[in-house]
Amino acid sequence: AQSVTQLDSHVSVSEGTPVLLRCNYSSSYSPSLFWYVQHPNKGLQLLLKYTSAATLVKGINGFEAEFKKSETSFHLTKPSAHMSDAAEYFCVAGNQFYFGTGTSLTVIP
Amino acid sequence: ETGVTQTPRHLVMGMTNKKSLKCEQHLGHNAMYWYKQSAKKPLELMFVYSLEERVENNSVPSRFSPECPNSSHLFLHLHTLQPEDSALYLCASSQQVYSGTYEQYFGPGTRLTVT
Repeated sequence: AQSVTQLDSHVSVSEGTPVLLRCNYSSSYSPSLFWYVQHPNKGLQLLLKYTSAATLVKGINGFEAEFKKSETSFHLTKPSAHMSDAAEYFCVAGNQFYFGTGTSLTVIP
Repeated sequence: ETGVTQTPRHLVMGMTNKKSLKCEQHLGHNAMYWYKQSAKKPLELMFVYSLEERVENNSVPSRFSPECPNSSHLFLHLHTLQPEDSALYLCASSQQVYSGTYEQYFGPGTRLTVT
């Protein structure tokens, strides 16, 4: 069975500093992987997806994620945080769309 | 209208009421989903419809009854709910193919409060 683990339930960064949100997946093969963002009282928006093409995936709003099979990881990064990045982020894996428990990102002005 | 829309956006209902949530997708997808999002809990997949047939029902209580009359519309009929059913209900759609996974597109959700 596939699953995802988001290693941090809360991450806090200062505006203008890098963002790292961690996600590990459990699978016997390379799954499809996604990152979604959810702003307060809104639905989920797709940030980026990995589907076994390039291992470094670029998404919207300056986010990117790198698929590392040896580490079974798919961490989300952004070079410089903006206040509007404050939201809940979900890592999702596989054909069955297994959701992680989410990471709440706070951006400090 | 574009994307996935949900109505109503907010709903307050008593435990003896009957109400329905509506979802409509304008993306030409062939699969639709209902999720429940409660505070401090992981997103829960409730129902999956593929080509208008229910393909998954994750042990959801019978007081929740889905309906998919066509590939663009999905309903969730609610009756005799409990206060613990209060949550954000999200609808999503995707294009399902056997050879891979396509991303899901989500609606804005219906915030349900059961009093």
